[in-house]
Amino acid sequence: QSALTQPPSASGSPGQSVTISCTGTSSDVGGYNYVSWYQQHPGKAPKLMIYEVSKRPSGVPDRFSGSKSGNTASLTVSGLRAEDEADYYCSSYAGSQRVFGGGTKLTVL
Amino acid sequence: EVQLVESGGVVVQPGGSLRLSCAASGFTFDDYTMHWVRQAPGKGLEWVSLISWDGGSTYYADSVKGRFTISRDNSKNSLYLQMNSLRTEDTALYYCAKEKGPNWFDPWGQGTLVTVSS
Repeated sequence: QSALTQPPSASGSPGQSVTISCTGTSSDVGGYNYVSWYQQHPGKAPKLMIYEVSKRPSGVPDRFSGSKSGNTASLTVSGLRAEDEADYYCSSYAGSQRVFGGGTKLTVL
Repeated sequence: EVQLVESGGVVVQPGGSLRLSCAASGFTFDDYTMHWVRQAPGKGLEWVSLISWDGGSTYYADSVKGRFTISRDNSKNSLYLQMNSLRTEDTALYYCAKEKGPNWFDPWGQGTLVTVSS
């Protein structure tokens, strides 16, 4: 099972919006509506931000949203804030396995 | 409070073995599928293995299949990862995570560091 493809980096200024893509195949992202997104600050454990493509857990700001089209999922962060600077990882169900993306470092300029 | 606490990470020589543990609290452990996910230093997340609520189903990433064994003891609210034939590329921070729903991991433990080096 190959890792999902994410851009290594993304950036935006405070208040702007940024979208991070996550590309897989019909065997993972495209085959199931079970894509999740995680935020990881340096030295910290990952934190769930989006599950089942577009659902937000309690406590996650509505500035974070998810979507999917075909084999590509996306995470959009609107109204960027300094505390959003972190690494972001997508993950997909892949039948008996799970797969993560390589991660995207989001920089708030 | 839902909590996962990993332990057992040490420095081990290539070819060696190690067992990691994850102690769960704050939720009904035997209701959930559990996972191990690792992160090599400075690298991304890599899914390692999962075990169903009753231990009846286990799955592994190709990179560890045949070398690692996941298990659980629901009476002790504990998850384990037996790691054999360790390689330098297994060096990583190993997290346990609860699968709250299909492919959504929440929460994660703080991780335990495994270093494979001679």
